[in-house]
Amino acid sequence: QQQVKQSPQSLIVQKGGISIINCAYENTAFDYFPWYQQFPGKGPALLIAIRPDVSEKKEGRFTISFNKSAKQFSLHIMDSQPGDSATYFCAASGETSGSRLTFGEGTQLTVNP
Amino acid sequence: GAVVSQHPSRVICKSGTSVKIECRSLDFQATTMFWYRQFPKQSLMLMATSNEGSKATYEQGVEKDKFLINHASLTLSTLTVTSAHPEDSSFYICSVGRNGWAFFGQGTRLTVV
Repeated sequence: QQQVKQSPQSLIVQKGGISIINCAYENTAFDYFPWYQQFPGKGPALLIAIRPDVSEKKEGRFTISFNKSAKQFSLHIMDSQPGDSATYFCAASGETSGSRLTFGEGTQLTVNP
Repeated sequence: GAVVSQHPSRVICKSGTSVKIECRSLDFQATTMFWYRQFPKQSLMLMATSNEGSKATYEQGVEKDKFLINHASLTLSTLTVTSAHPEDSSFYICSVGRNGWAFFGQGTRLTVV
């Protein structure tokens, strides 16, 4: 039932670098695309989200790029910091599903000092 | 956002016993809550949708008689794992939807011995 594909599975970046995580979806009814950050033993925390009426959304060091025709979206973390080391999940939901999310497989990000 | 509280954060139980996990929406009346399960180094998988005042909706493959969900009020949903077995050991997380956004509790680590 996996409808959201996420890559890479793991990512190692140097401090100050750019972390890029990609997701692709299949269901064209999806219209809400959030990204979550999860630290070990904790619940996911909403990081940033986008709807398909815009192609990009930026909040601080975090940017979502959205390509509706390709059914792809990505998270860019600028000036990556060791404190950003966590697992990141993309997700998607549609109007009919409300806040019922379908998650990607997750990306383990490690930012080296 | 929405503040979601889960209790307990960790629980260890003996095989064959039942465990109840609570999910509270502290600042928002939620007619719908969601329960997810996450195995180590894996993504979140939706188990069921908890509907206030009515029966929960379970995802395919989730045993409704094993995972009992009660949503008796607009601020509380409970998940009871009945006759728990070691394979039920997992991280259980609830979420609340608000204005199309989903906010998660801190999760409950269940270990069945």
